[in-house]
Amino acid sequence: SQQGEEDPQALSIQEGENATMNCSYKTSINNLQWYRQNSGRGLVHLILIRSNEREKHSGRLRVTLDTSKKSSSLLITASRAADTASYFCATDRTGTYKYIFGTGTRLKVLA
Amino acid sequence: NAGVTQTPKFQVLKTGQSMTLQCAQDMNHEYMSWYRQDPGMGLRLIHYSVGAGITDQGEVPNGYNVSRSTTEDFPLRLLSAAPSQTSVYFCATLRTVQTSGAGKQYFGPGTRLTVT
Repeated sequence: SQQGEEDPQALSIQEGENATMNCSYKTSINNLQWYRQNSGRGLVHLILIRSNEREKHSGRLRVTLDTSKKSSSLLITASRAADTASYFCATDRTGTYKYIFGTGTRLKVLA
Repeated sequence: NAGVTQTPKFQVLKTGQSMTLQCAQDMNHEYMSWYRQDPGMGLRLIHYSVGAGITDQGEVPNGYNVSRSTTEDFPLRLLSAAPSQTSVYFCATLRTVQTSGAGKQYFGPGTRLTVT
């Protein structure tokens, strides 16, 4: 069974608004990563947060990690039409290289 | 650098046929993996390798074989294709040595496989 579950499944916002998506997982992890996938294409790595970190920023992206709740959130600020894509979280169980992806959030940013 | 390349881009097979999906990388990454993505779903790990000569099963390994004879290549073999294997297949690599870029996966463009 998949370890990562994301919500919402789909999100539609206006350009300039912020988008927040959440990820939950089930076991202890080494790190949690967020990826973007444009329609039908390969995934692109966005940001990685390690299990001993609580918050990380990269440009318009802000990721938080709460290991006590086994959850993470990805915030995209000042969204653009080009941010329209599916976003996935991925985790690797502590001590393994078995990466588990969530089911994804489909984000649509309306111009 | 080409990064991660996959061939073919598209393939149609009949039930029972066999084929090999190719994956190659030029980044000298130790770790390589294969995922499948079904419509509206996330990626599921099929097999992975942490170095030449070392492979292990992922979440959905049944019906697939892999081998890793070189650092650069990690082919995925379907021995007897089934309609349930219709999917998009992605190869990914990452550096396992603890550097600033460790843990970040690089994905190929994918192979769309249809089994009729």
